[in-house]
Amino acid sequence: SQTIHQWPATLVQPVGSPLSLECTVEGTSNPNLYWYRQAAGRGLQLLFYSVGIGQISSEVPQNLSASRPQDRQFILSSKKLLLSDSGFYLCAWSVYGDRGEAFFGQGTRLTVV
Amino acid sequence: GNSVTQMEGPVTLSEEAFLTINCTYTATGYPSLFWYVQYPGEGLQLLLKATKADDKGSNKGFEATYRKETTSFHLEKGSVQVSDSAVYFCALSDRTGFQKLVFGTGTRLLVSP
Repeated sequence: SQTIHQWPATLVQPVGSPLSLECTVEGTSNPNLYWYRQAAGRGLQLLFYSVGIGQISSEVPQNLSASRPQDRQFILSSKKLLLSDSGFYLCAWSVYGDRGEAFFGQGTRLTVV
Repeated sequence: GNSVTQMEGPVTLSEEAFLTINCTYTATGYPSLFWYVQYPGEGLQLLLKATKADDKGSNKGFEATYRKETTSFHLEKGSVQVSDSAVYFCALSDRTGFQKLVFGTGTRLLVSP
């Protein structure tokens, strides 16, 4: 069966520090991968998606970047965090063209102080 | 662009009460529709889905019907339990194959004994 791992679960970082969140998927090949952010009191916003190794699409301009160095690995990064980067970050995967659901990781609670 | 609107919360109910959470959408074409549930501190879990008009998704006593004429996908449950307390998200997925989800802002449900 497929599983998705996301870490760390919580993170407190100072303003201006770098960020690296990692997500890996097991049990499937060539998944679509996504990073979503949930700001306090708001819905989920799609940040990045990827349909293959090295292929990244950004949905909104921001202080973050994403990379996909391996088929089932998706990394969210920042060189210098801002206070506004605080939120709950969720990684997800789906099967391309399936018109079905996406499957989510447990999320990372990021607090920038 | 595509969008999802769902009722503001919190929704507060007593155990065994009837639940309705309204959701309407705007989309080009014919999206797939979903309800996700988020328990405290966790990621999102798919609750139910529907992929075409008049489809009824159901799971764990929850139901929602894809109404194309009213562009709605309201969530219902006949008798809620304390364990149903969570945040519920309505979402749609386009049919480009990229499976990008567009979410509503979420509705918090609080069920008291």
